[in-house]
Amino acid sequence: SAVISQKPSRDICQRGTSLTIQCQVDSQVTMMFWYRQQPGQSLTLIATANQGSEATYESGFVIDKFPISRPNLTFSTLTVSNMSPEDSSIYLCSVEEQGVQETQYFGPGTRLLVL
Amino acid sequence: SQQGEEDPQALSIQEGENATMNCSYKTSINNLQWYRQNSGRGLVHLILIRSNEREKHSGRLRVTLDTSKKSSSLLITASRAADTASYFCATAPMNRDDKIIFGKGTRLHILP
Repeated sequence: SAVISQKPSRDICQRGTSLTIQCQVDSQVTMMFWYRQQPGQSLTLIATANQGSEATYESGFVIDKFPISRPNLTFSTLTVSNMSPEDSSIYLCSVEEQGVQETQYFGPGTRLLVL
Repeated sequence: SQQGEEDPQALSIQEGENATMNCSYKTSINNLQWYRQNSGRGLVHLILIRSNEREKHSGRLRVTLDTSKKSSSLLITASRAADTASYFCATAPMNRDDKIIFGKGTRLHILP
């Protein structure tokens, strides 16, 4: 199974600033995802990070707020732009290694607090 | 919505007892998955059961799927303190272009 690391593991940021979260996988994968998990809540898919093309965003999420890069098959970044306290969440990246809708492997998450 | 709904929202049991969590969903699925999350960390995949399967085992875990009732259950036998976590079901919609959707989770607390 894929091993995924995320940086930073946590951060405290001021409103109006931006934070870039990195996700590194130890193998090449086609599908990479970014999720948000607000305190005590379930996971909400932000976008699918596509290698070589723009990310595919879910309803309610836009590129200007959450720009995503996917320069190769092992790495992706998610930027949370112009942050507000409502952006305080855990941000998780995941990969599907075995095919569409199959098991997802998650990174340890980035815990973000916006003041 | 396709989202699964776990029941109960929270569960506290004594160590050594069995824990049962349920997941209900609304539309047909390709598979259903269970994940565990410890203290706001990343999710760990536990088990995947396909729509044509009725029961699956993995160690102390037993998962059932009843597609006629659109429900699944996760049984953890002989619970341990380390089982304290949140458990999420995730459903894979019939349209394979659609992403899997996570339920709201059950918070399980094992009492010593």
